Amino acid sequence: AQKITQTQPGMFVQEKEAVTLDCTYDTSDPSYGLFWYKQPSSGEMIFLIYQGSYDQQNATEPRREDSLNFQKARKSANLVISASQLGDSAMYFCAMREGNYGQNFVFGPGTRLSVLP
Amino acid sequence: ETGVTQSPTHLIKTRGQQVTLRCSSQSGHNTVSWYQQALGQGPQFIFQYYREEENGRGNFPPRFSGLQFPNYSSELNVNALELDDSALYLCASSSGTREAGELFFGEGSRLTVL
Repeated sequence: AQKITQTQPGMFVQEKEAVTLDCTYDTSDPSYGLFWYKQPSSGEMIFLIYQGSYDQQNATEPRREDSLNFQKARKSANLVISASQLGDSAMYFCAMREGNYGQNFVFGPGTRLSVLP
Repeated sequence: ETGVTQSPTHLIKTRGQQVTLRCSSQSGHNTVSWYQQALGQGPQFIFQYYREEENGRGNFPPRFSGLQFPNYSSELNVNALELDDSALYLCASSSGTREAGELFFGEGSRLTVL
């Protein structure tokens, strides 16, 4: 079974508008971490935001006010980009680490976001 | 603070050959891992090194091997290359002092096997 599912292969959004990128996950481990990464065409994976399984509040990225909409019972961890910028056009990957340590991250297939001027 | 750097950025090999990819982890990071990203897919975990020992491995055959050196730099070696080994190979490092334990990635080495 897929551990990370991203059902949106591609998304379009108008500049300055908000967009939600979906991610659902599957694990039986009570302790896990959820991550979102951005991958521009250069190839480098850029860390965006993290949510721990025991965190009570949704994670937020203070510089941009992006957030992770964490719904534990539904096993979803959607990324909310509050005000899209042209530079946000890239692939976005949701990832999960089971347990608290280690570098064995499971990545989803990604969503390609295109921001339109 | 220097980031994760990888070399070479691009290379072309033929089936059956061997390849070595190199990575310098971010300053202060003692754990390094390697990922394979096939075209149009998310990265897949190959293995992880801590204190020069492999201490975690994904679903990859033994012809994928690695090394970590005392300065925390790392190598990924792939023997007997197959066409399906064509991919972007990403190196990542992390610091045990950060709560999230997020990975910091290099820009990758793009391998083409003909």
